[in-house]
Amino acid sequence: GAVVSQHPSWVICKSGTSVKIECRSLDFQATTMFWYRQFPKQSLMLMATSNEGSKATYEQGVEKDKFLINHASLTLSTLTVTSAHPEDSSFYICSARGVIAGVSTDTQYFGPGTRLTVL
Amino acid sequence: AQSVTQLDSHVSVSEGTPVLLRCNYSSSYSPSLFWYVQHPNKGLQLLLKYTSAATLVKGINGFEAEFKKSETSFHLTKPSAHMSDAAEYFCVVFNQAGTALIFGKGTTLSVSS
Repeated sequence: GAVVSQHPSWVICKSGTSVKIECRSLDFQATTMFWYRQFPKQSLMLMATSNEGSKATYEQGVEKDKFLINHASLTLSTLTVTSAHPEDSSFYICSARGVIAGVSTDTQYFGPGTRLTVL
Repeated sequence: AQSVTQLDSHVSVSEGTPVLLRCNYSSSYSPSLFWYVQHPNKGLQLLLKYTSAATLVKGINGFEAEFKKSETSFHLTKPSAHMSDAAEYFCVVFNQAGTALIFGKGTTLSVSS
């Protein structure tokens, strides 16, 4: 149990276009979802935290107008990179925590990541 | 502020030999600590977590870690490495509010036959 999926796994887009990445909890209710960014050979940096039905809380230095996060249901969160530029190329990873089999857990379950390449 | 430092960016071992991945933490309170593993094209997987119960924590795939407050360490060990253990390993700590994870820079484990 506790599987998180992301779609797409890899996306290539032109500079100036917008890209939407989906994160789904497949078998549990994700009351909180997190979005991370990982540069090659580097650690994960938390971008934002979103609770279902609320506005996302962004970490310092993350532009909320550029990285739009929506968490409209207990199984889906989306990250939209607006007007993407080459410097936005990165590996984006989501995670989720919530209620599994009726029990609330603070363990985060991670998706496989989405590789974004902006040309 | 809470932080973790992974002392080695790369560790190489032979199959069948012990694994030691080192992690030191900095925290003003009793921390919750985790080890995650990242295989290529797969999501991060939780290996084990320490939450102030037993100081020796056993995880999946034969890994274990010992919380040592006097040394502010949480090193990850395994008695005998498998080829399938080759991956990126992250030492992670909860922030004080317990709402967000703070990742170390990661240690790449290579296993040779």
